[in-house]
Amino acid sequence: GESVGLHLPTLSVQEGDNSIINCAYSNSASDYFIWYKQESGKGPQFIIDIRSNMDKRQGQRVTVLLNKTVKHLSLQIAATQPGDSAVYFCAEIPMDSNYQLIWGAGTKLIIKP
Amino acid sequence: NAGVTQTPKFRILKIGQSMTLQCTQDMNHNYMYWYRQDPGMGLKLIYYSVGAGITDKGEVPNGYNVSRSTTEDFPLRLELAAPSQTSVYFCASSYGNEQFFGPGTRLTVL
Repeated sequence: GESVGLHLPTLSVQEGDNSIINCAYSNSASDYFIWYKQESGKGPQFIIDIRSNMDKRQGQRVTVLLNKTVKHLSLQIAATQPGDSAVYFCAEIPMDSNYQLIWGAGTKLIIKP
Repeated sequence: NAGVTQTPKFRILKIGQSMTLQCTQDMNHNYMYWYRQDPGMGLKLIYYSVGAGITDKGEVPNGYNVSRSTTEDFPLRLELAAPSQTSVYFCASSYGNEQFFGPGTRLTVL
């Protein structure tokens, strides 16, 4: 079976509850921060991005928060659904990097019925 | 649009064999990327291209080569396969921040 995620931190959330996935980043000179979702056996899928001069950005059922003081990024998923089960990766785009991504460690989100 | 397509989906190689992983995108994106993903890990950039005729090394280029003769195609070449190259390979393309990924090629080197 799919082995991605075996060694990843795991977050278990009850269906319908809100999920908060956290990420620490290292590069203070990054221009954008991005969240990707990777379902089992598939390539990553873009969820939402936030520019470095913003603190918060909202999408459909998702909110990304950026705290530059402590170099922390979080993804909040409202009313978690079974389809939200996946591995979530944060990534950053350093300035002048030709959109090269620096990937963070992933978090496996498990939805409990 | 088909997006980003990759072939083959699976492949088993013997040590020392060569192969080319194909990647095609139909979104007219200038930027294309090759990543590898080992079990339980994030993605590592192998090579990238900012346009036809231009390629550059990423974080882990050793053992691989690429070419970009057209906007659409960005093949990845393994010349002498080694067990350390067992991984899942993803191709991606982008216009800006959002990278669009293919379904991946699962490669095993025995």
